[in-house]
Amino acid sequence: QKEVEQNSGPLSVPEGAIASLNCTYSDRGSQSFFWYRQYSGKSPELIMFIYSNGDKEDGRFTAQLNKASQYVSLLIRDSQPSDSATYLCAVKEGGTASKLTFGTGTRLQVML
Amino acid sequence: NAGVTQTPKFQVLKTGQSMTLQCAQDMNHNSMYWYRQDPGMGLRLIYYSASEGTTDKGEVPNGYNVSRLNKREFSLRLESAAPSQTSVYFCASSAFGTSGPTDTQYFGPGTRLTVL
Repeated sequence: QKEVEQNSGPLSVPEGAIASLNCTYSDRGSQSFFWYRQYSGKSPELIMFIYSNGDKEDGRFTAQLNKASQYVSLLIRDSQPSDSATYLCAVKEGGTASKLTFGTGTRLQVML
Repeated sequence: NAGVTQTPKFQVLKTGQSMTLQCAQDMNHNSMYWYRQDPGMGLRLIYYSASEGTTDKGEVPNGYNVSRLNKREFSLRLESAAPSQTSVYFCASSAFGTSGPTDTQYFGPGTRLTVL
């Protein structure tokens, strides 16, 4: 059973701070890693993906991947109240159709 | 460009009733997926279709059937609904459906289903 683990939170950060969201996965053969944001009652929307070790930056978001430790994280700089949502980590298997295994998500609260 | 659309948005069924959830995408994607999302369980894959004419089981296929009607449409059928199927159902699509690492799934707005 492939597993993707996330702390359910809530993770509370003050406005303007850096929010750090973490995810671990069990399948060493995993190919790529996706972060989705989901507002309450809405569908998941893609923030970014990463598939090479290291950091990948997109605006205020940075994804970090360490395949040796089977760990992926998402940093949100200058957190805003509009960032308050649940963040889902998803892992794509290697060598198969694009099936994703999702974590249960981390709820982020950005406080004024 | 509507992306991924789903109908209905809400549905209430009685135990034993049947229904079909509809999904369509206008992005010319090859692959389509059905997920369910339950509190504390995350998104779980029910069925997927890597390309037109193919369907495969995901993690939780029992009690469901699917049809890939054409490249655009992928439906999910509950033949005899059970209270355990109360959930939010999301359809998603992706362009390539291959082992490419950047193949990204885009989600529809979801269907909230309650089975009494």
